[in-house]
Amino acid sequence: DTGVSQNPRHKITKRGQNVTFRCDPISEHNRLYWYRQTLGQGPEFLTYFQNEAQLEKSRLLSDRFSAERPKGSFSTLEIQRTEQGDSAMYLCASSEMGGRETQYFGPGTRLLVL
Amino acid sequence: AQKVTQAQTEISVVEKEDVTLDCVYETRDTTYYLFWYKQPPSGELVFLIRRNSFDEQNEISGRYSWNFQKSTSSFNFTITASQVVDSAVYFCALSESLWAGNNRKLIWGLGTSLAVNP
Repeated sequence: DTGVSQNPRHKITKRGQNVTFRCDPISEHNRLYWYRQTLGQGPEFLTYFQNEAQLEKSRLLSDRFSAERPKGSFSTLEIQRTEQGDSAMYLCASSEMGGRETQYFGPGTRLLVL
Repeated sequence: AQKVTQAQTEISVVEKEDVTLDCVYETRDTTYYLFWYKQPPSGELVFLIRRNSFDEQNEISGRYSWNFQKSTSSFNFTITASQVVDSAVYFCALSESLWAGNNRKLIWGLGTSLAVNP
């Protein structure tokens, strides 16, 4: 069990560019979550996958954001036409369905939009 | 509405002092889960404890202990004999069962920044 991994760890981009982040969950976990955290705040829920199905999206997730989880394994989060307000830490978590549903987090991807 | 309140923004203690971090929650659900996570300066959220709403037994793990009081909707966290390595931001979080369906998204407090000074 290698834990949740996220890549890249840091990303600096210019406003208007597209960025894509990747999350590899713990292998036997079928639930995957994306959160966003800004400085001094707690994480905010963005979206949730159960296997390959995206079951819920937050109102925070504008049309510029899209997430996928092909084959129910890794997930990607893409932000198109980035804005300075997108600068944040993007966190991925995974959990097992049923029983112990504790979410385990990856190290996050820190995005800075210039 | 679901809500988690951590009224203490920052706490500073001297090593070996005991410190309690407060967490108060609001939920419409009768079955829910409460969590504490630690976020050190590196940024990764580290799971500390999960508590079910129907289990009010307090828990101790080494220097850490948790006091769950359903009557006051509180889930406080105490660190005994604090150490410098305990310095971090600590988050309390809530996830619901009935109303959430299959989505166990976490509702977070704003966190308490703990500084343990030598």
